[in-house]
Amino acid sequence: GAGVSQSPSNKVTEKGKDVELRCDPISGHTALYWYRQSLGQGLEFLIYFQGNSAPDKSGLPSDRFSAERTGGSVSTLTIQRTQQEDSAVYLCASSSDRSSGNTIYFGEGSWLTVV
Amino acid sequence: QQQVKQSPQSLIVQKGGISIINCAYENTAFDYFPWYQQFPGKGPALLIAIRPDVSEKKEGRFTISFNKSAKQFSLHIMDSQPGDSATYFCAASIGNFGNEKLTFGTGTRLTIIP
Repeated sequence: GAGVSQSPSNKVTEKGKDVELRCDPISGHTALYWYRQSLGQGLEFLIYFQGNSAPDKSGLPSDRFSAERTGGSVSTLTIQRTQQEDSAVYLCASSSDRSSGNTIYFGEGSWLTVV
Repeated sequence: QQQVKQSPQSLIVQKGGISIINCAYENTAFDYFPWYQQFPGKGPALLIAIRPDVSEKKEGRFTISFNKSAKQFSLHIMDSQPGDSATYFCAASIGNFGNEKLTFGTGTRLTIIP
């Protein structure tokens, strides 16, 4: 597609359930990022992929959060045993590392509500 | 530890006026400073960015002013228009070769009134 695609766009889940959020980066982009945006807050870095490997996962808030990327393309962010404080917009972004002056392109996000 | 502090949290400017949003950073290793614009229900989009080797960068009505010694940078929107109403985020990173992570400010909600 032309941009970063995320699904679902909205997800309401019960506390304690697991959720999976999907990201389709821009074709050819080797770098992929996950950020979390809580209401009234800035964007919080979660994890970065270069290809299929994650050299920086320092932002994952707890071991309930995990992410993987396969085929150097699609990424899935999984939140296990969701808690109410996990409610936020989860934004995926991608960029190309083939040249300097890259732009990071964001998707429209997956709005997660834990009830 | 909040490494990028942004102010104000919200801003109301009359159409045609100048909107100014300020950011301050702590990590002197930061060398790339972008501003992102976000409309409701959309992801942030890159607006303009600057590196510390210049003190100012202008693109149309948008200007970044950068003060390396003060570790501050600001976004100026000239001739502000209602279509500029959005949330603006400053950010900072080390390097820009597709392998950096951005540290964001907390955002400024800008409203341009007619």
